Amino acid sequence: DAKTTQPPSMDCAEGRAANLPCNHSTISGNEYVYWYRQIHSQGPQYIIHGLKNNETNEMASLIITEDRKSSTLILPHATLRDTAVYYCIVNNAGNMLTFGGGTRLMVKP
Amino acid sequence: DTEVTQTPKHLVMGMTNKKSLKCEQHMGHRAMYWYKQKAKKPPELMFVYSYEKLSINESVPSRFSPECPNSSLLNLHLHALQPEDSALYLCASSHGPLGATIYFGEGSWLTVV
Repeated sequence: DAKTTQPPSMDCAEGRAANLPCNHSTISGNEYVYWYRQIHSQGPQYIIHGLKNNETNEMASLIITEDRKSSTLILPHATLRDTAVYYCIVNNAGNMLTFGGGTRLMVKP
Repeated sequence: DTEVTQTPKHLVMGMTNKKSLKCEQHMGHRAMYWYKQKAKKPPELMFVYSYEKLSINESVPSRFSPECPNSSLLNLHLHALQPEDSALYLCASSHGPLGATIYFGEGSWLTVV
């Protein structure tokens, strides 16, 4: 699976949009971009995934660049409960999730 | 419903004990996984079961022994563990082994004394 690069930490003000970037410059054509988050002491929670089109669900939006070398997870109105480690994972159909370091998002009042 | 249930939530065991972690899902998923997570580190894959057969073992020491009695259950048998094996053990499942979203349980916190 392709390697991903994320900033180790980010801050966001409560109520504002949180934009979490991810670089995956070696992604191949059949690899999906997945986002998970892990709130302290809990199991990872699936957020969203996409192949090449932008995706939106009730939790977040995923914007994938046209060349697919990077993506951004958008939490439109961050709350204190969104404080977590966010993992961007590139995964082929082999379905083995390999977690990188992730981004620790701190939402502040 | 995307629920994966793990028991116990917390386990303390001695180095000579034998214990088991249990995982259950009723979503009809045919792939199940064990991950290990040390403090402040990302989860690391240990085992993958596909259609009740072990398909991936990431060079895990034999003191960890997985078992998949049926398509809904996954066990991790523990024997002669070391203190450095203390970690959060995460179970996960997906519809199949190819291209399906993986859902995680809340984990079992293991402390080896």
